[in-house]
Amino acid sequence: DTEVTQTPKHLVMGMTNKKSLKCEQHMGHRAMYWYKQKAKKPPELMFVYSYEKLSINESVPSRFSPECPNSSLLNLHLHALQPEDSALYLCASSQDWGSTDTQYFGPGTRLTVL
Amino acid sequence: GEDVEQSLFLSVREGDSSVINCTYTDSSSTYLYWYKQEPGAGLQLLTYIFSNMDMKQDQRLTVLLNKKDKHLSLRIADTQTGDSAIYFCAPRPPGGYNKLIFGAGTRLAVHP
Repeated sequence: DTEVTQTPKHLVMGMTNKKSLKCEQHMGHRAMYWYKQKAKKPPELMFVYSYEKLSINESVPSRFSPECPNSSLLNLHLHALQPEDSALYLCASSQDWGSTDTQYFGPGTRLTVL
Repeated sequence: GEDVEQSLFLSVREGDSSVINCTYTDSSSTYLYWYKQEPGAGLQLLTYIFSNMDMKQDQRLTVLLNKKDKHLSLRIADTQTGDSAIYFCAPRPPGGYNKLIFGAGTRLAVHP
């Protein structure tokens, strides 16, 4: 089973709202990733968690706050977003982060900020 | 850093072969991946090739790697309408963490 699940599938929020995106995998992977994908563009890496610790933050604004409560779950907390943050947010996982392990992606959450 | 280029659009007739090309700049990339993205969906891993190989075949998919020219291609035999999607080339540079560098993606349109 190489499934990564994400909820919700779609999310519409105002600029003053607080919301969270969720990602889950049960493959025993120890590395999890958040990507942002704008329309007609490739995915861009935002964060990497390894063994439940934040390992990489690709200079993401603080209005995006990741959290890894356990090895299977990854959250992305959203607060005071801007309309330009509207995008497809993809979660991925891999066996480990320092190796060449393959990343498996979830279906994404399509976020619209009004 | 790594720079990856792909042509943006390819149109083929159903049943023909499709060839999607990718060039990259970091010759020390270790693994080179191909991902497929259907409209509104996440990325699906299609196949990958290790840098010490020059060809890999997986059913209808053939990956060719020319390390000297830093050129990667994905050939899809007997292309079907279900193959219509965006295809991303993603080399993984060595060292550091598991960071993929994605190309812009090639939109494959399959017509009858």
